[in-house]
Amino acid sequence: SAVISQKPSRDICQRGTSLTIQCQVDSQVTMMFWYRQQPGQSLTLIATANQGSEATYESGFVIDKFPISRPNLTFSTLTVSNMSPEDSSIYLCSVDVRDARAFFGQGTRLTVV
Amino acid sequence: GENVEQHPSTLSVQEGDSAVIKCTYSDSASNYFPWYKQELGKGPQLIIDIRSNVGEKKDQRIAVTLNKTAKHFSLHITETQPEDSAVYFCAANRRGSGYSTLTFGKGTMLLVSP
Repeated sequence: SAVISQKPSRDICQRGTSLTIQCQVDSQVTMMFWYRQQPGQSLTLIATANQGSEATYESGFVIDKFPISRPNLTFSTLTVSNMSPEDSSIYLCSVDVRDARAFFGQGTRLTVV
Repeated sequence: GENVEQHPSTLSVQEGDSAVIKCTYSDSASNYFPWYKQELGKGPQLIIDIRSNVGEKKDQRIAVTLNKTAKHFSLHITETQPEDSAVYFCAANRRGSGYSTLTFGKGTMLLVSP
């Protein structure tokens, strides 16, 4: 398994502002993933972050809204830009340890007011 | 793309009873099927997984079965306990260029009453 730490754990933000979420892993991993979980809903993949290359975004998610950095094999950031109340969700970082076996961080609970 | 259907959306059982959650998937190329447990305020926790070369896998009180022909897999929890109460998600992998991503079902809220 892997220990995944996300910061912040929660935040309340004003609409129109941006929030950067950090994800730190205790071991080097090739693939990191960012998910969104809207209130009471399932997990939806936002993008896949591979070190040394541009993130790959899923349909419905764009880089201008959710820029991602992956500077090394243990760290990634997701920024939620120009936020609106519809962005209120839990944002989850996940890492692929081996053969698609994925582990999740505790999540960042974002409320936009 | 992959589509994962999960049933039921809610499940209430008495402590000691068994609970079964079922999922179907659409992509015949999927070969990895994990189950996650999410407690309130926490991230999803991997509890068991199965790969397509196996029909059944068991870990103490939990087991997963896979029917590749029918494209469905199920989670079985025996001797349920109140601490099993949580939301359970099934998932199936979507194979891409050298890595897999996961598509999740909508979740099952399991409530175990003492």
